[in-house]
Amino acid sequence: QKEVEQDPGPLSVPEGAIVSLNCTYSNSAFQYFMWYRQYSRKGPELLMYTYSSGNKEDGRFTAQVDKSSKYISLFIRDSQPSDSATYLCAMSGNQFYFGTGTSLTVIP
Amino acid sequence: GAVVSQHPSWVICKSGTSVKIECRSLDFQATTMFWYRQFPKQSLMLMATSNEGSKATYEQGVEKDKFLINHASLTLSTLTVTSAHPEDSSFYICSAQKTGTAQETQYFGPGTRLLVL
Repeated sequence: QKEVEQDPGPLSVPEGAIVSLNCTYSNSAFQYFMWYRQYSRKGPELLMYTYSSGNKEDGRFTAQVDKSSKYISLFIRDSQPSDSATYLCAMSGNQFYFGTGTSLTVIP
Repeated sequence: GAVVSQHPSWVICKSGTSVKIECRSLDFQATTMFWYRQFPKQSLMLMATSNEGSKATYEQGVEKDKFLINHASLTLSTLTVTSAHPEDSSFYICSAQKTGTAQETQYFGPGTRLLVL
């Protein structure tokens, strides 16, 4: 079983839609949870990070962590074409693990 | 901010030559830097963890004599692909961890695209 599972998509939504991106994991020792955004041919950019369970909000982005279910989510409200990218979840305890990334396209 | 640069951004070289890629943390110190490789439409593959002043730790299956890593200062790590071959063509990305923080704050460089002819 992989440490981190993420649906690769692709996911295509109309502009203004609410986007939900998710990852599941198997290691209960993970304490830090991150979402990165990667545009084509660029390095990943840290969007959100959360320690332990709970929600964190930053503008149109909300990150949720449910440690009891080993499930994390990233919500994007009022999605924009500029949000089109690959979104990588990542988590760490003693080591750092990435999901495979979900490709998102927001259609104008 | 936390800015990480990489140089060069892209490189084309002949098979058998060596290529050096630099990773710099511009506005913070990084005790630890990471080197990743990414193939098209695939996730990041950790190649090695680079610690300032000590030897790098390589992931299983990564040849340390092929991918030489040097982390000589708190702001610079280099990856040298020795005797490059076409199968080494890939997107190489480094990340830097801010000194004194936990692993969650990795900041990535923009990546270096390597094409070996």
